[in-house]
Amino acid sequence: AQTVTQSQPEMSVQEAETVTLSCTYDTSESNYYLFWYKQPPSRQMILVIRQEAYKQQNATENRFSVNFQKAAKSFSLKISDSQLGDTAMYFCAFMKPLTGTASKLTFGTGTRLQVTL
Amino acid sequence: SAVISQKPSRDICQRGTSLTIQCQVDSQVTMMFWYRQQPGQSLTLIATANQGSEATYESGFVIDKFPISRPNLTFSTLTVSNMSPEDSSIYLCSAGTSGNYEQYFGPGTRLTVT
Repeated sequence: AQTVTQSQPEMSVQEAETVTLSCTYDTSESNYYLFWYKQPPSRQMILVIRQEAYKQQNATENRFSVNFQKAAKSFSLKISDSQLGDTAMYFCAFMKPLTGTASKLTFGTGTRLQVTL
Repeated sequence: SAVISQKPSRDICQRGTSLTIQCQVDSQVTMMFWYRQQPGQSLTLIATANQGSEATYESGFVIDKFPISRPNLTFSTLTVSNMSPEDSSIYLCSAGTSGNYEQYFGPGTRLTVT
């Protein structure tokens, strides 16, 4: 079974600064997907970014980027130019895909990020 | 992507009763899932809702407690049966489309059992 570990329960960053959230995982699979989801106080889960394990290039979505280290089984999220709206719970998640479609997600315990003025 | 709605958004129920949560997707999806998020905690998968057949339950979750239906490719229900205060959680529905490995989530149903 896969496990996902987020070792930072809470983090704080000042507006406009950069913050990195850590995630490690354990799996024996070679083909998998990794995701970061954001859950603001409204509790809506929002997909932030995804990474395919077979891709060496790190994924980037605007101010969000990942540092994917497959051998180390590490998948950190970097948020640049932090904004107040980035305040949320961030979950790292692992998926072993089924053929051609999504499969179940295994989530980490989450990191609560507070962006301050 | 897919837009997912859930009803009700929240409810307060008495011990021993049952509640059915509805999940509606705005497009046909191949996979639908139900997750539970206990207060201040992460998400745990309850089951995969299979269209036209019985749901696939994760360890620790059983059909008698959490019966699930999925009559078509856009709709699913989760029933929380014989509720106890330990069932107080947020229940989230998610969906995934063919050819895309992403999952999209509904807004969740906050259940409080008294």
